[in-house]
Amino acid sequence: DQQVKQNSPSLSVQEGRISILNCDYTNSMFDYFLWYKKYPAEGPTFLISISSIKDKNEDGRFTVFLNKSAKHLSLHIVPSQPGDSAVYFCAAMTTDSWGKLQFGAGTQVVVTP
Amino acid sequence: ETGVTQSPTHLIKTRGQQVTLRCSSQSGHNTVSWYQQALGQGPQFIFQYYREEENGRGNFPPRFSGLQFPNYSSELNVNALELDDSALYLCASSRKQGSTEAFFGQGTRLTVV
Repeated sequence: DQQVKQNSPSLSVQEGRISILNCDYTNSMFDYFLWYKKYPAEGPTFLISISSIKDKNEDGRFTVFLNKSAKHLSLHIVPSQPGDSAVYFCAAMTTDSWGKLQFGAGTQVVVTP
Repeated sequence: ETGVTQSPTHLIKTRGQQVTLRCSSQSGHNTVSWYQQALGQGPQFIFQYYREEENGRGNFPPRFSGLQFPNYSSELNVNALELDDSALYLCASSRKQGSTEAFFGQGTRLTVV
């Protein structure tokens, strides 16, 4: 039962443009959401997170938007850089279950010059 | 700031054998979680240990077991290996309270033949 879904397995974007990654979830008990980036042969690294009490969180080039009514979140990367080429995972959890993350299948982002 | 190390990095085992994977948590982190990432999928939560006690388990059979030691390092043991156990195994450490970020190791790639 996949409770976190990333329906786009891949995304190609030109350097300098905006990358938009989408994520949907089915479990209304989730109240904390995270994005991780993963390079080959490395573990996932934390990017940005958002609590369900907010609808937006920004950190430099990265912004996460949360639409609770639609059970949808998105990650915006502006401007995209070649070093952003990686697999991006959306993850969710309940705050009474710290660290027990439910992940989506990931989106492979390729930033072209 | 990761500091989570896993060993070995790669491993090949025969069906029916047993395997032990190791994880050294980041200093100051008393919680470790293990994940299985099959090819083309996101990480799936196996279980979590907090202060040497199992603190939640995902949908994995009992032949997946773990230990956490007083220095907060951890082991994942898998008995009676099956071909479908071939995957990347990730451990992640975090502080139990107040931390929403899990820091991942680079993973152990297990191949069962």
